[in-house]
Amino acid sequence: EVQLVQSGAEGKKPGESLKISCKSSGQSFTSYWISWVRQTPGKGLEWLGIIYPGDSQTRYSPAFEGHVSISVDKSIDTAYLQWSSLKASDSGIYYCARHGLPRNYYHGLDVWGQGTTVTVSS
Amino acid sequence: EIVLTQSPGTLSLSPGERATLSCRASQIVSSSFLAWYQQRPGQAPRLLIYGASSRATAIPDRFSGSGSGTDFTLTISRLDPEDFAVYFCQQYGSSPFTFGGGTKVEIK
Repeated sequence: EVQLVQSGAEGKKPGESLKISCKSSGQSFTSYWISWVRQTPGKGLEWLGIIYPGDSQTRYSPAFEGHVSISVDKSIDTAYLQWSSLKASDSGIYYCARHGLPRNYYHGLDVWGQGTTVTVSS
Repeated sequence: EIVLTQSPGTLSLSPGERATLSCRASQIVSSSFLAWYQQRPGQAPRLLIYGASSRATAIPDRFSGSGSGTDFTLTISRLDPEDFAVYFCQQYGSSPFTFGGGTKVEIK
């Protein structure tokens, strides 16, 4: 069974850094694009960006570019989303999700992680 | 950026009834790269439909998607009690891959 397992909930202060993870199992990790999606009560679902683990190609939403960084470690089948300086507005549930076609992101998100809740508060 | 507008915001129906959900895009969605997701409380979204009309693996055939260009529809032919949830559309033809605001299907 294909699974994406995310790291646990985080509570941080504004200005702190954070790196959350998404570990893949049961699939060829390097063959599928991975997206990161945020969910908040106020703005709903927002797409942050995407990475191809095979060669680390990334694309970002303009709304998040420069504020978050997406990376992978192929040796442990894990994708990451990180911040160098958190803001209160970064609070939300963050999901990683797989695009369901090998080597191609022109497909819906067919496998989702369980979500990581990030709370940023002073 | 393509803005997706879903309507209605809330749909109040009874089990066994038909549900029709709309997703309208601010620009043409290339190659009908549009997906529908279901989200139940406390769970991650689940892919129902991709390519506007193709059902994802293990999705019951009471779910169907249609449309092209800027207008798309998700139809649930007969609502099962487990179908009462929130539904989102997403376009993945043009970066950034945007989501609609969601339609909540609630029990009348």
